[in-house]
Amino acid sequence: QLQLQESGPGLVKPSETLSLTCTVSGGSISGSSYYWGWIRQPPGKGLEWIGSIYYSGSTYYNPSLKSRVTISVDTSKNQFSLKLTSVSAADTAVYYCARHWVAGAFDYWGQGTLVTVSS
Amino acid sequence: QSALTQPASVSGSPGQSITISCTGTSSDVGGYNYVSWYQQHPGKAPKLMIYDVSNRPSGVSNRFSGSKSGNTASLTISGLQAEDEADYYCSSYTSSSTLVYVFGTGTKVTVL
Repeated sequence: QLQLQESGPGLVKPSETLSLTCTVSGGSISGSSYYWGWIRQPPGKGLEWIGSIYYSGSTYYNPSLKSRVTISVDTSKNQFSLKLTSVSAADTAVYYCARHWVAGAFDYWGQGTLVTVSS
Repeated sequence: QSALTQPASVSGSPGQSITISCTGTSSDVGGYNYVSWYQQHPGKAPKLMIYDVSNRPSGVSNRFSGSKSGNTASLTISGLQAEDEADYYCSSYTSSSTLVYVFGTGTKVTVL
């Protein structure tokens, strides 16, 4: 059974960089036709797609966040990561990692991790 | 791109059927058969319920069904049960030049 697990600091200061890692177990992040994505959900609000990456390193970002987002992959560790720069309180959210196929649905999700932006 | 439009809330009695709409544009919902639906209980991660407009993943009850007409997709829950009370989100692929996704605004389903 495929499992995804987010990890990283739960508190980030304004203007700093948010960094999260998603560790994939029960399957390989390489090969096949799957992509690996990040989605976030501010408290009490809806879901927002942040971006996705293919194991080869090809990346796709939400145009509204593109200038601040970098997603990378480490196939040797079966992990992919998110960096979001210049954060503000508006970036406070539960961050989820998930798997999807090209143009398709997100079928496996991590449990999510709350990141709070505050001084 | 803007979020897809869903009703804020829908309610029904046990055993009834309800339908949640998801309205987009010809650039997303209307342009591709890549609409998916997710169920989210409080404090939990979203769960995939419908993919590619009308397909159910293994293990999802056949009480859940999806459809699309023009720029509007719909999720129908038949034989409503107490466990169906949750938030529901639609999502669509939204670009032909690169991979981009958009989610719906979310609908709170209440079982009366």
